[in-house]
Amino acid sequence: QKEVEQDPGPLSVPEGAIVSLNCTYSNSAFQYFMWYRQYSRKGPELLMYTYSSGNKEDGRFTAQVDKSSKYISLFIRDSQPSDSATYLCAISVAAGNKLTFGGGTRVLVKP
Amino acid sequence: GAVVSQHPSWVICKSGTSVKIECRSLDFQATTMFWYRQFPKQSLMLMATSNEGSKATYEQGVEKDKFLINHASLTLSTLTVTSAHPEDSSFYICSLLPRIDSQETQYFGPGTRLLVL
Repeated sequence: QKEVEQDPGPLSVPEGAIVSLNCTYSNSAFQYFMWYRQYSRKGPELLMYTYSSGNKEDGRFTAQVDKSSKYISLFIRDSQPSDSATYLCAISVAAGNKLTFGGGTRVLVKP
Repeated sequence: GAVVSQHPSWVICKSGTSVKIECRSLDFQATTMFWYRQFPKQSLMLMATSNEGSKATYEQGVEKDKFLINHASLTLSTLTVTSAHPEDSSFYICSLLPRIDSQETQYFGPGTRLLVL
């Protein structure tokens, strides 16, 4: 069993729809949770960062963490074609520690 | 966030040659840099953690004599792929941890695409 599981997709949605992404993890020691966006042939770009259960909102992005279920989510509202990318969840046990990545979900937003 | 550059952005080389990839922090000092490898349609796999002034820590299965890491200063780390072979063809990405009080998130470089013929 992988430490972090993420559906590879692809996830295809029409423009304006809500994109829902999630990851599950197995190690309860994980405490810090991040979402990265990666465009083709580019490095990952940090989108959201949380370290507690609950919701965190930033513009069109909302991150949710449920530590009791070992489940994290990212929601993208009012999706745009420019949101088409691969989204990676990343988790670590402590601030500044090495990251364990999910496999990434490829998202395609159709105009 | 921190700005990270990598050079070169892509490189093609013959089998058996060595390739050096540079990772620079442009606006923060970084005590810790990470090197990742990403194969097509796969996620990032951590290769090694590089701390300024000390030896790098390699992940299990990564040959330290093949992938030489030098973290010479707080703004520069290099990865040298020695005697490269076609199976080393991959996307190599560095990230850094800014040297500030809240060292919590990593910032990634744009990556270097290596093709070994």
